[in-house]
Amino acid sequence: QSVLTQPPSASGTPGQRVTISCSGSISNIGSNAVNWYQQLPGAAPKLLIYANNQRPSGVPDRFSGSKSGTSASLAISGLQSEDEAEYYCATWDDSLHGLYVFGTGTKVTVL
Amino acid sequence: QLQLQESGPGLVKPSETLSLTCTVSGGSINSKFYYWVWVRQAPEKGLEWIGHISSTGATYSNPSLKSRVSISVDTSENQFSLKLSSVTAADTAVYYCARSRRFCSNGVCYIPPAGFDVWGQGTTVTVSS
Repeated sequence: QSVLTQPPSASGTPGQRVTISCSGSISNIGSNAVNWYQQLPGAAPKLLIYANNQRPSGVPDRFSGSKSGTSASLAISGLQSEDEAEYYCATWDDSLHGLYVFGTGTKVTVL
Repeated sequence: QLQLQESGPGLVKPSETLSLTCTVSGGSINSKFYYWVWVRQAPEKGLEWIGHISSTGATYSNPSLKSRVSISVDTSENQFSLKLSSVTAADTAVYYCARSRRFCSNGVCYIPPAGFDVWGQGTTVTVSS
């Protein structure tokens, strides 16, 4: 099981704001930057947020990330139907000899 | 535009070695600013980091797989490869290769990956006799 815990699901109507949490520990989120990935059905993941709150070129500013202590959050404002996907947080974990860990994933449904 | 493409057998027998190659096009694999990554996703499951390699050959692997994983890079062919030995049905998954940024500052690049920003389409590997 993953060391990063996310809620299994989240939902909202078009235009609403949805927030996804990611809970970790001092050895991962507490010590390293957090990334967020979006995975549309049947597709490869896509980097949505890196370094806690930075958006790669081409990612709409509706997506925003934040981090506080050992937790991180992804917010989707102005929810759109094409945002229906699985979302994963991820970061480096300093335990053992180091490893990259993904969160458990959150399925976002647009109602 | 950088593109990554996985290739390799789609079916591997139990106890044998899974071998995959990722071919990088549209850019050079030989850069200290990036890692080259393997990630897998078992059916109906989440993402699992397998490991990554730098262009100089420094590797980092998931401790849960480390004794079975080998990642290598061929800068002359602009490819990197994954070998996973002694496979079982639990290794059945979609395998992705990806590029990761690195955090670099004042000429120093740090170990943790900074985000996997370019992905291959993925290749399905089934372990079955």
